[in-house]
Amino acid sequence: GESVGLHLPTLSVQEGDNSIINCAYSNSASDYFIWYKQESGKGPQFIIDIRSNMDKRQGQRVTVLLNKTVKHLSLQIAATQPGDSAVYFCAENGGSQGNLIFGKGTKLSVKP
Amino acid sequence: KAGVTQTPRYLIKTRGQQVTLSCSPISGHRSVSWYQQTPGQGLQFLFEYFSETQRNKGNFPGRFSGRQFSNSRSEMNVSTLELGDSALYLCASSFQNTEAFFGQGTRLTVV
Repeated sequence: GESVGLHLPTLSVQEGDNSIINCAYSNSASDYFIWYKQESGKGPQFIIDIRSNMDKRQGQRVTVLLNKTVKHLSLQIAATQPGDSAVYFCAENGGSQGNLIFGKGTKLSVKP
Repeated sequence: KAGVTQTPRYLIKTRGQQVTLSCSPISGHRSVSWYQQTPGQGLQFLFEYFSETQRNKGNFPGRFSGRQFSNSRSEMNVSTLELGDSALYLCASSFQNTEAFFGQGTRLTVV
């Protein structure tokens, strides 16, 4: 039969508010994590990364938090803008090089 | 610096045919990975090449293959196409074990 499309979790926020996107990763051996943003019709765009020897890393308007105890990753976007509307993926390296394991993605919708 | 370039952007093939997709990585990047993205399965890892050698492989049938050339450019091939192979095929390049940068992808439609 036909495969069912992924039901992406959706986060809807007001322009100017802060957004928090969460991700649970699966592999305890993962020591490198990346957040990607994918707009319709485009490839994933690198946002920010973090290694397992850190628990927080900040970029421009974005912060990634890593909790290795519960295998949880979050992306915080400050002062969310309409241009931030996209699907956001977390990815882990599973402890090996060159092979990223992607989460299912979260769709962020920003209301003007 | 030019980004990752994938060609062609769009492709329509018939069941049973074979297809070759191309990826030119960012200059200086020696690792090239391929991913398949579908609405049903999300982003799935196909294989990764480093210095012309396949270093990692995902769980795809042998119909999916790839190679990397001495200039780090990579190709992937899918033989005996099936309807379920319709997807966005993404290539990513990275420098050693750092962030992977993606191309725009090749949208393959099998009819």
